[in-house]
Amino acid sequence: GAVVSQHPSWVICKSGTSVKIECRSLDFQATTMFWYRQFPKQSLMLMATSNEGSKATYEQGVEKDKFLINHASLTLSTLTVTSAHPEDSSFYICSARGGHSANGYTFGSGTRLTVV
Amino acid sequence: QKEVEQNSGPLSVPEGAIASLNCTYSDRGSQSFFWYRQYSGKSPELIMFIYSNGDKEDGRFTAQLNKASQYVSLLIRDSQPSDSATYLCAVNSVAGGTSYGKLTFGQGTILTVHP
Repeated sequence: GAVVSQHPSWVICKSGTSVKIECRSLDFQATTMFWYRQFPKQSLMLMATSNEGSKATYEQGVEKDKFLINHASLTLSTLTVTSAHPEDSSFYICSARGGHSANGYTFGSGTRLTVV
Repeated sequence: QKEVEQNSGPLSVPEGAIASLNCTYSDRGSQSFFWYRQYSGKSPELIMFIYSNGDKEDGRFTAQLNKASQYVSLLIRDSQPSDSATYLCAVNSVAGGTSYGKLTFGQGTILTVHP
């Protein structure tokens, strides 16, 4: 089945530093990658949608200069949280389209980001 | 009005009972509907998806869709303590351009199955 590998699974960083999260599709080509953020006891909120080779489309209220998304290949998409602050602490999840999962969406395992 | 609404619960049912989870959505153009289960600290895992009006059964799970009422539900028969989790309803709203294919999630319903 389709698998998306997301790394790291958790990361702690200091305020003001940048953190990169990677999502790799292992056995399929991810034409589209969705990036979600989930705060405690809340649902998944879509941050941005990226298509391979194109600029990402950000949802309203998401700062594109702060959350840099790169989807340079069909198997790798990255999210970089720049100048992280404690309020960026959250659970970040990627979801890829293009695989052979039953419904076409394959989720990564998530990254727990804690900014101290 | 939220695009996808769920009762946040918590919903508590005894082991062996039927758990009923409900979801309403606002976009009449929505094409497909998904139920995910999410354990604390984990990524969502797909339980079922449904496209057509009516019922769809898979093991102990039954999804029900009524597009006229903009309502989708999930029934869990013979509930087990291991079913205790947050259940997320998600809707794929077809729209033009880059919005195509994105999932909009409800806030989730916390289900607790007690022995």
